[in-house]
Amino acid sequence: AQSVTQLGSHVSVSEGALVLLRCNYSSSVPPYLFWYVQYPNQGLQLLLKYTTGATLVKGINGFEAEFKKSETSFHLTKPSAHMSDAAEYFCAVTSSGAGSYQLTFGKGTKLSVIP
Amino acid sequence: GAGVSQSPSNKVTEKGKDVELRCDPISGHTALYWYRQSLGQGLEFLIYFQGNSAPDKSGLPSDRFSAERTGGSVSTLTIQRTQQEDSAVYLCASSLTVDNEQFFGPGTRLTVL
Repeated sequence: AQSVTQLGSHVSVSEGALVLLRCNYSSSVPPYLFWYVQYPNQGLQLLLKYTTGATLVKGINGFEAEFKKSETSFHLTKPSAHMSDAAEYFCAVTSSGAGSYQLTFGKGTKLSVIP
Repeated sequence: GAGVSQSPSNKVTEKGKDVELRCDPISGHTALYWYRQSLGQGLEFLIYFQGNSAPDKSGLPSDRFSAERTGGSVSTLTIQRTQQEDSAVYLCASSLTVDNEQFFGPGTRLTVL
């Protein structure tokens, strides 16, 4: 069984400030971890993923995340928020083979960027 | 097409009616997934297809829900005798194989009155 917990359903940051969205996971086998972004009335877009190898992964739009096994965490960060980053962000986990079958999602964190 | 498409984008129905939701995956993608996104439950996995077969139906919430995929392409999710708790956004995704990134469609917003 696997699960994802996202701390904070709503996060507000000022434009230019650091973005930190928290994700903790539970998995009985080595996890594959993902961050997706959802803009209003749109589908999910993959930001970045961790499968194996380097624990710091870089994604699109300047986002990055670090897999910390000891903390069972995969927090998403961006050094400087932009107005266009306002969206809902979902952390997801799968533990099935090498890929992204049957994703288990967190509840999501809605990011607001204040000008 | 360039991405996953879903139709209709919005569907309003009366309690007790049947509805069909359609998903057109990216051409050549063998795996197709259905998820449901609701306020109370977040994003939930419903079912996935490898080709035309569905190895895992564990996420379907009741026997009122069924899905099929024909020709390894288009999939239809059918909800019979809809209930108000079925109101949600139904998302479809496809991937080249089950070991690859899932690409999501824009979803169908279902409202059951």
